[in-house]
Amino acid sequence: KNQVEQSPQSLIILEGKNCTLQCNYTVSPFSNLRWYKQDTGRGPVSLTIMTFSENTKSNGRYTATLDADTKQSSLHITASQLSDSASYICVVKMAAGNKLTFGGGTRVLVKP
Amino acid sequence: DAGVIQSPRHEVTEMGQEVTLRCKPISGHNSLFWYRQTMMRGLELLIYFNNNVPIDDSGMPEDRFSAKMPNASFSTLKIQPSEPRDSAVYFCASSLAGGQHTQYFGPGTRLTVL
Repeated sequence: KNQVEQSPQSLIILEGKNCTLQCNYTVSPFSNLRWYKQDTGRGPVSLTIMTFSENTKSNGRYTATLDADTKQSSLHITASQLSDSASYICVVKMAAGNKLTFGGGTRVLVKP
Repeated sequence: DAGVIQSPRHEVTEMGQEVTLRCKPISGHNSLFWYRQTMMRGLELLIYFNNNVPIDDSGMPEDRFSAKMPNASFSTLKIQPSEPRDSAVYFCASSLAGGQHTQYFGPGTRLTVL
């Protein structure tokens, strides 16, 4: 069964600190992996998209990594800000069609 | 561009009533997606269209749900009759054709069925 598992489910960090979110997937055949940020009451916003051949991609203070062999990805947030408080969703696309498989998300709370 | 536009933003209705959610995708995008998000199940794809044609509706929960895309700039998701378990946030997203493109999500419609 195609699945995307994220950990932790939630975490609290202090402003200015770094954190890393994990994503493991079993989706096959694999096309690409995406990280989305979803603020409360808003729609998800894409942070990164990585294909099989890419193992790291950055978007400002967000850096995503991908190990397609072990089917793992991580999202690292550097020097967290209060505005980073949101849910972060890992999404994997299969090679065929446009269907995406969503992880359950990690809820991040940044405290001053 | 205004982004993906959805209406209404909030809908409260009684069980048994018909509900119609609307979406205007980003101009020039060929693909349109309808999602449902709940606390229990997270984000689920209901249906998606390429060039106004439904491609995969395997996520539509049952016959009470239907979606149409009469033209490139408008889509509807209809629930008839609605049930309390349909309460969720419904998102519309659009993208350029091809699976490697970013999907841009609308603000969502929060549906409450009493």
